[in-house]
Amino acid sequence: EAQVTQNPRYLITVTGKKLTVTCSQNMNHEYMSWYRQDPGLGLRQIYYSMNVEVTDKGDVPEGYKVSRKEKRNFPLILESPSPNQTSLYFCASSFAGKAYEQYFGPGTRLTVT
Amino acid sequence: KNEVEQSPQNLTAQEGEFITINCSYSVGISALHWLQQHPGGGIVSLFMLSSGKKKHGRLIATINIQEKHSSLHITASHPRDSAVYICAVRSLAFNTDKLIFGTGTRLQVFP
Repeated sequence: EAQVTQNPRYLITVTGKKLTVTCSQNMNHEYMSWYRQDPGLGLRQIYYSMNVEVTDKGDVPEGYKVSRKEKRNFPLILESPSPNQTSLYFCASSFAGKAYEQYFGPGTRLTVT
Repeated sequence: KNEVEQSPQNLTAQEGEFITINCSYSVGISALHWLQQHPGGGIVSLFMLSSGKKKHGRLIATINIQEKHSSLHITASHPRDSAVYICAVRSLAFNTDKLIFGTGTRLQVFP
């Protein structure tokens, strides 16, 4: 089954404790992105990757890191989480080009206390 | 002003009603996506349009590139259609995987 998986689905952590949210896709997609969703603000792009070892900042990259060492995986790293990073996070992937459907992961609900 | 505006923000309907959700954008685009997000949180892609009209079951999506406007129609609405519907555009300004999202339309369909 074609899918994007994220882990964990739910996470409660404390300020400053490094964490990683994993994202993996099995569709051989070139493009992968991380988004955060906050009430009233909609979905905003954090980072994106157009292929292996190619990553770039989205609209709200501060406080986040990513890497793309393999085509299928695109982990999101919070080196020192803060309460303003409490949010619902989505990973998405698609084929390269401007006219391909986006596939979203199930979401990770992160709470930083 | 947001580059992607949706209306209405909230919509309630009785089962069986015809529903229209609108999306206007202010940038040149290569494609427009309609997404559905159920209360559980998952996001599903409904349509991707670059011109004209697409239909899938009871859902119809149209786009007018000249007017920078798209509509999502739901015919014979059903309570299971209750969800947030999100419009997103892929801007021509970026040769990247960048989508610009509207803030969504929350639809509730009552039996």
